[in-house]
Amino acid sequence: QVTLKESGPVLVKPTETLTLTCTVSGFSLSNARMGVSWIRQPPGKALEWLAHIFSNDEKSYSTSLKSRLTISKDTSKSQVVLTMTNMDPVDTATYYCARMDSGSYSCDYWGQGTLVTVSS
Amino acid sequence: EIVLTQSPGTLSLSPGERATLSCRASQSVSSSYLAWYQQKPGQAPRLLIYGASSRATGIPDRFSGSGSGTDFTLTISRLEPEDFAVYYCQQYGSSSVTFGQGTKLEIK
Repeated sequence: QVTLKESGPVLVKPTETLTLTCTVSGFSLSNARMGVSWIRQPPGKALEWLAHIFSNDEKSYSTSLKSRLTISKDTSKSQVVLTMTNMDPVDTATYYCARMDSGSYSCDYWGQGTLVTVSS
Repeated sequence: EIVLTQSPGTLSLSPGERATLSCRASQSVSSSYLAWYQQKPGQAPRLLIYGASSRATGIPDRFSGSGSGTDFTLTISRLEPEDFAVYYCQQYGSSSVTFGQGTKLEIK
């Protein structure tokens, strides 16, 4: 059974750095066909892709947020970590991690999401 | 970056009717890399269609995807009560992923 679970702070202050962890089970981060994406969704708004990482350490970032994002993985811990620097209230959103298939670049399994609020 | 524009923004239909949702790309998208998702309130998105026309595991055959180049369509042949939700298209190209702004399918 494939599962993904996001963890991290629920509240961060403006200018702080957000660190989110996605812990996966039911598949391996060393699987050549599978990667993990981070996607966010501000309240009442659309989905926004942030970054993805694959087993060969291939990484890609949102063009608009690239300077603020870093994605990494720890295969032994089955974890993918996303950091986002210089947080702002507009970054308030539900953050999802999802398994991404490298053949179709679609996300077939999603975590439940974690709501992160940016406020002083 | 490829921009995906979904139309209509809101679609009001009755159960049993046919729904046709559009996703238009600002430049050509590989059909291999076009997906559709369904999202219900308070839930994570669910993959419906990948590769423009392949149904994901467990997706009923009333859902179908079609299209190529810059124009893609999600069709729900006969709406069931559980199909009323928000639908997103998503593409991958030039090492970047983008989502459309969504179409809300509501009960008329």
